[in-house]
Amino acid sequence: GENVEQHPSTLSVQEGDSAVIKCTYSDSASNYFPWYKQELGKRPQLIIDIRSNVGEKKDQRIAVTLNKTAKHFSLHITETQPEDSAVYFCAARSSGTYKYIFGTGTRLKVLA
Amino acid sequence: EAQVTQNPRYLITVTGKKLTVTCSQNMNHEYMSWYRQDPGLGLRQIYYSMNVEVTDKGDVPEGYKVSRKEKRNFPLILESPSPNQTSLYFCASSMGMDNEAFFGQGTRLTVV
Repeated sequence: GENVEQHPSTLSVQEGDSAVIKCTYSDSASNYFPWYKQELGKRPQLIIDIRSNVGEKKDQRIAVTLNKTAKHFSLHITETQPEDSAVYFCAARSSGTYKYIFGTGTRLKVLA
Repeated sequence: EAQVTQNPRYLITVTGKKLTVTCSQNMNHEYMSWYRQDPGLGLRQIYYSMNVEVTDKGDVPEGYKVSRKEKRNFPLILESPSPNQTSLYFCASSMGMDNEAFFGQGTRLTVV
């Protein structure tokens, strides 16, 4: 079946450093790629998304890049802060459906 | 306040006893979805709905049923729960396929 691989599963960075999380998808028909942040005990919340007709999108300290040829997309967080500590999930949606495949998550720890 | 509401928040039940987890949204969203979250496996989609009376299987539909008789409600039904359905369940809704999905607060289900 279709899947989304996410790496790394855990990531520790010093406050102020950058963090990068990578995802690879298998379904060539995927055309929408959101990223969700889930703080401990809370519900997932969208932080950024990208559509397949765009290669890069940025929102303040957060950016997402997409390489459709390689079926690969990444989340970049710059100038990390302790409040960035959470679990991050990537996802891919197949064109024409509301079927989502999520990655297994990355636990990011920002060390003060 | 715009929200997705799930009930109950916590449920402990016995194997084979039918149960329903309700999900209601007040944002007039077309699209709704159910996920289960298990450690190390991330979020896995169970079922989704793209409109009233339109439902389809996600990645892990076995053992679950859903219905979408009205736009605002999307209940998840476990006809004969088993211990492997012990999990954290999230309902989510969005205005469009490529719009932010708003998640409910989650339902922690334990089947003994």
